[in-house]
Amino acid sequence: EAQVTQNPRYLITVTGKKLTVTCSQNMNHEYMSWYRQDPGLGLRQIYYSMNVEVTDKGDVPEGYKVSRKEKRNFPLILESPSPNQTSLYFCASSLFWSDNEQFFGPGTRLTVL
Amino acid sequence: GENVEQHPSTLSVQEGDSAVIKCTYSDSASNYFPWYKQELGKRPQLIIDIRSNVGEKKDQRIAVTLNKTAKHFSLHITETQPEDSAVYFCAASRDWRQGNLIFGKGTKLSVKP
Repeated sequence: EAQVTQNPRYLITVTGKKLTVTCSQNMNHEYMSWYRQDPGLGLRQIYYSMNVEVTDKGDVPEGYKVSRKEKRNFPLILESPSPNQTSLYFCASSLFWSDNEQFFGPGTRLTVL
Repeated sequence: GENVEQHPSTLSVQEGDSAVIKCTYSDSASNYFPWYKQELGKRPQLIIDIRSNVGEKKDQRIAVTLNKTAKHFSLHITETQPEDSAVYFCAASRDWRQGNLIFGKGTKLSVKP
């Protein structure tokens, strides 16, 4: 089944404790992206990747890191999480950036205490 | 950078009526405009998109119109049904060389039976 998976789906952590949210797609998509969703603010792009070893900042990259060492995986790293990073995170992928639908993962709800 | 404004933030209609959601964008170089629907507790899913070389696109009860001169685009849903109740997001981006997708803040549509 073609899909985007994220792990974990729910995470409660404490300020400063490094964490990684994994994202994997099995559709051989070139493009992958991370978004955060906050009430009243909609979806905001954190980082995106046009292909392996190519990553770029979105609108809200501060406090986040990403890597794209393989086509299928695009992990999101929070080196030192803070409470303002409490949010719902979505990973998405598409075959080509501008002409195809972005397929979203199920989301990861992160709480930073 | 690009800024996307979406109105209204909430919209309530009677079943069978039409619903219209409007978005304006600031970057005249934007040329791809997707609309995503997010049901409660679920991931966003693409419902329709339009490119700048097209003025209107329809898919059954859903249509999108684009006015490049005025830099606005709209989602039209006719003969609304209760299952249309969801949050709708518009978005805008430049060409495939820039993978930065900017979303509006969303419109919560409620269709009353």
